[in-house]
Amino acid sequence: DADVTQTPRNRITKTGKRIMLECSQTKGHDRMYWYRQDPGLGLRLIYYSFDVKDINKGEISDGYSVSRQAQAKFSLSLESAIPNQTALYFCATKDAGGPKNEQFFGPGTRLTVL
Amino acid sequence: RKEVEQDPGPFNVPEGATVAFNCTYSNSASQSFFWYRQDCRKEPKLLMSVYSSGNEDGRFTAQLNRASQYISLLIRDSKLSDSATYLCAVAQLGSNYQLIWGAGTKLIIKP
Repeated sequence: DADVTQTPRNRITKTGKRIMLECSQTKGHDRMYWYRQDPGLGLRLIYYSFDVKDINKGEISDGYSVSRQAQAKFSLSLESAIPNQTALYFCATKDAGGPKNEQFFGPGTRLTVL
Repeated sequence: RKEVEQDPGPFNVPEGATVAFNCTYSNSASQSFFWYRQDCRKEPKLLMSVYSSGNEDGRFTAQLNRASQYISLLIRDSKLSDSATYLCAVAQLGSNYQLIWGAGTKLIIKP
């Protein structure tokens, strides 16, 4: 089983709809991240969390919200989706004390907003 | 100017050749550097960290040039399976270890 999972893997929705993307991990890591990836722009950080109930804004948090109710789960919400939120979304985890400072990514959610 | 920049490529390279690409960063406070590999439509995976003294992992060599503010990745004896996009990531001291990402360099190895 994958260590970091994301649901759904693909989603098509309409402008104005509320969307939630879920991320779960079995790695026991305390840090979790949400990124979006757009062609030519690289990964951009939306929100991150260092522990349950800890929430921090990233570079592009406007239009998004997150929830970290359990160590293993970090969900991303788009309250009212708009077409420029069409992107590939990745969740990542990191062990704060890990020797490599490596981030482990989920398989991604491809979101299309019409 | 972007904080972390990469040549998007694609680099088209014959199998067996050596290829190198760079990643420049603008913030001199950058402390940690990484190369990730991303296959098409897949998640990024850590290829290697980049240490000040340079480091090697099999056919892959990573170097850091602090004076000129860039890191490099060299791949020797390239394989078809090396075809991917290579992302560099940089973290600054005091940033809660947030990674700033380059947009990636696409590498295509041809038989």
